[in-house]
Amino acid sequence: QPVLTQASSASATLGTSVKFTCTLSRGHSSYIIAWHQQQPGKAPRHLMKLEDSGSYTKGSGVPDRFSGSSSGADRYLTISNLQSEDEADYYCETWDSNTRVFGGGTKLTVL
Amino acid sequence: EVQLLESGGGLVQPGGSLRLSCEASGFTFSGHAMSWVRQAPGKGLEWVSSITGSGVGTYYAESVKGRFTISRDNSKNTLYLQMNSLRVEDTAIYYCAKLHGAIGTQNWGQGTPVTVSP
Repeated sequence: QPVLTQASSASATLGTSVKFTCTLSRGHSSYIIAWHQQQPGKAPRHLMKLEDSGSYTKGSGVPDRFSGSSSGADRYLTISNLQSEDEADYYCETWDSNTRVFGGGTKLTVL
Repeated sequence: EVQLLESGGGLVQPGGSLRLSCEASGFTFSGHAMSWVRQAPGKGLEWVSSITGSGVGTYYAESVKGRFTISRDNSKNTLYLQMNSLRVEDTAIYYCAKLHGAIGTQNWGQGTPVTVSP
């Protein structure tokens, strides 16, 4: 089954950009993933689906500041013009026929 | 608007049982696979179980296989998770989630807390 690897933490300054990486395990580099955001004390929220081509489809109401891209086994989530409400945990998710997998999550601190 | 409302969480002793429910609205329930995902205190998200729209196909994480049973009643738009032989390490917030085949987990409930403690 696939494994997803994420850095545990990241930080960036208000108004700048940040890029998260989610790396798929060997043999799974073509997999589609989803990105989710979890603000403190809240349930997760779906942000987007991201394909190996770099094509992404955002969920309802997700701001234009959020975008996705891909390179090989790496899937990226970029947030531009960081806002204070972007301080949250970000998880990637993938799946195959019988299982679903989440990455360990990256905690974003907005300075 | 999609709504997923979990209930049934609570405090239970090790070895005990609980049944979680998730009442869905705002979409054609039978047309979508559903999942349970949990989050232990201070930890990340962990997939627990999924079920197809018809209810015929069920899938489990190794950590819960043989102890948990996922089911659904499409006439009641409700998803269930029967949890038996509960362990301290099952303590978590349990989220109900709506799946979309090509998108992944598309919608999340607000979660229901389960605490397993002597």
